[in-house]
Amino acid sequence: GEDVEQSLFLSVREGDSSVINCTYTDSSSTYLYWYKQEPGAGLQLLTYIFSNMDMKQDQRLTVLLNKKDKHLSLRIADTQTGDSAIYFCAENKNQGGKLIFGQGTELSVKP
Amino acid sequence: DAMVIQNPRYQVTQFGKPVTLSCSQTLNHNVMYWYQQKSSQAPKLLFHYYDKDFNNEADTPDNFQSRRPNTSFCFLDIRSPGLGDAAMYLCATSSRGSSSYEQYFGPGTRLTVT
Repeated sequence: GEDVEQSLFLSVREGDSSVINCTYTDSSSTYLYWYKQEPGAGLQLLTYIFSNMDMKQDQRLTVLLNKKDKHLSLRIADTQTGDSAIYFCAENKNQGGKLIFGQGTELSVKP
Repeated sequence: DAMVIQNPRYQVTQFGKPVTLSCSQTLNHNVMYWYQQKSSQAPKLLFHYYDKDFNNEADTPDNFQSRRPNTSFCFLDIRSPGLGDAAMYLCATSSRGSSSYEQYFGPGTRLTVT
């Protein structure tokens, strides 16, 4: 199958860390991505990880990949109100031909 | 700045009246994609062009067609829009020369069908 699954909602307090989780099914995916979508806007690429890595850090963002369990997570440190958005994980199929997206996690950051 | 541009940002059309959405890019990427995103759902790939080669997804309705006259531009044509075609339409690009195959998205066109 080609399902990518995410929890639908996450609510955190400003300044806390947020962890958004994702599971995928296609073990042949070479890259996994995190995108951010603000209301009424397109998708912004946040970060991606190659499947032979288990962690990638980029400023406030940390991606963890457990390839054995097909589990991907995005940790946002010191979450701000501007981080409120929908976050999509996606896996790459056919080496660039197609992205399969999860249904998105709506992150709500409360002051 | 290099970018993906979509026009218009909002489009209203009547039931059954053909409509064309436009995408242009200054990234010089050889792959362009069209996605449909309905409310609270994941983007769904309709088709993509690798250079001039057109690749249609198996479940994309015949009502949807695309044209890519040159590297920079790609159009989505909806021949006879139905109420169920109301959605956000997202254009994206990627470079097959990039080993990470990441896709860059435009801001989208929100289509309303009356």
